Amino acid sequence: GENVEQHPSTLSVQEGDSAVIKCTYSDSASNYFPWYKQELGKRPQLIIDIRSNVGEKKDQRIAVTLNKTAKHFSLHITETQPEDSAVYFCAARGGTASKLTFGTGTRLQVTL
Amino acid sequence: GAGVSQSPSNKVTEKGKDVELRCDPISGHTALYWYRQRLGQGLEFLIYFQGNSAPDKSGLPSDRFSAERTGESVSTLTIQRTQQEDSAVYLCASSPGGANIQYFGAGTRLSVL
Repeated sequence: GENVEQHPSTLSVQEGDSAVIKCTYSDSASNYFPWYKQELGKRPQLIIDIRSNVGEKKDQRIAVTLNKTAKHFSLHITETQPEDSAVYFCAARGGTASKLTFGTGTRLQVTL
Repeated sequence: GAGVSQSPSNKVTEKGKDVELRCDPISGHTALYWYRQRLGQGLEFLIYFQGNSAPDKSGLPSDRFSAERTGESVSTLTIQRTQQEDSAVYLCASSPGGANIQYFGAGTRLSVL
C-alpha cells in the first residue's frame, strides 16, 4: 500500500519568514495530494490540494509543489503569521485505492 | 449546511467496557472514514466505507474494533473490552467520493480509565 513520509516533525520560524514542509510517497500511481491544517484541539481542515496533472498550485500565501518523478510534494507558506501555528498533515491517495494515507504531521510554530 | 457531526464529544469509560461512537456524515457524501489520533500523534486510518461497497477494514487494530454504516448515512464505531491504549480522539470524515476532499468531524475524545 501507499506509504507517506513527512519532514520535519517540528518547525519553528520567525514571523514573516517562509516555512517549507516536505512529503514523499511510495505509490507512483498516486494522483491526489491534499494538505490539512490542525490547530490545537480542533479538527483537521483542508488548506490546499494538488492533483497529479499539475506541478504547482498557489492560494495566497500558500503553495504546493509536486514532483512526480521524485515522488515528493511540498507545502510552502510565505510571510508566516502567528495564526499559521498548527500541525500540518500531508496525504496521498494511492492509485489502487480511494483512501488517503496521511503523513505523521509537522508542528509549525511561528514566533514573534 | 451541517458539517460532519460526531457524538459523544467526550467519553470516559472503565477498562473492559464496550463503547459506541457515532458519526453523522454530510448529507450526500458517499465516503466515510474513521481515524484514531493519539495525543500529539498523526492520523491513524481505521476503516473506510464507500457507498455499498465492502468496507476497507485494513486499519482496524484488533478484533475488538468494528464499524458499521447503513447505506450512506450514520456510522458507528464500536470498541469492545476497551483497554487504556484505546484512549485517543476518534475522528470521522466524509467526502463526496473517495478521491475528494475529506471533511472532518470534531472527534470523540475517549478516555479509558
